[in-house]
Amino acid sequence: DAGVIQSPRHEVTEMGQEVTLRCKPISGHDYLFWYRQTMMRGLELLIYFNNNVPIDDSGMPEDRFSAKMPNASFSTLKIQPSEPRDSAVYFCASSYSGGAGEQFFGPGTRLTVL
Amino acid sequence: GQQVMQIPQYQHVQEGEDFTTYCNSSTTLSNIQWYKQRPGGHPVFLIQLVKSGEVKKQKRLTFQFGEAKKNSSLHITATQTTDVGTYFCAGYNDYKLSFGAGTTVTVRA
Repeated sequence: DAGVIQSPRHEVTEMGQEVTLRCKPISGHDYLFWYRQTMMRGLELLIYFNNNVPIDDSGMPEDRFSAKMPNASFSTLKIQPSEPRDSAVYFCASSYSGGAGEQFFGPGTRLTVL
Repeated sequence: GQQVMQIPQYQHVQEGEDFTTYCNSSTTLSNIQWYKQRPGGHPVFLIQLVKSGEVKKQKRLTFQFGEAKKNSSLHITATQTTDVGTYFCAGYNDYKLSFGAGTTVTVRA
């Protein structure tokens, strides 16, 4: 298996622009997680899906952030409009047992908002 | 809400020495997981502990889950340069996995 795939790996954009991050989970995994990692706040769970349905989005910072999972093999995290404080590494992870078991992380997308 | 505290934040170790990183939760956990993130990389699962007082070993790494299932530790013996990275504990309870801030390990050769 190729593991969790994320794109792009790096994204540099200007404040106010829309940013879309993409994730392909491991085939057969029912859970998908979006995390944000910064030096100040560490690794934060933004949202997670079970069988393509959003279960907990309490970590989503504000209305500028939205996430979708239209099918079992694809998810997006969108930021609109982006702000410099959104600069971070965004990880997607998947698992077959939710938070109770091993999560497989993708390589991450390093986002820089100028 | 559930909080997972991890200490120390940084650990500078002489190659060949041992060290321990500690994890404490404000609530009782169903399980605790440990992950390692190499510089520039992504978190990689190391192990999961479920039972009270459980101890598991992976070569030079020893993981322990406290009797009250609120704390855990990772002990590394004879540190090597390959141990460089950030070690995260993550506590699972009430359908939520909460990551600690991590212990970043550097090794002096």
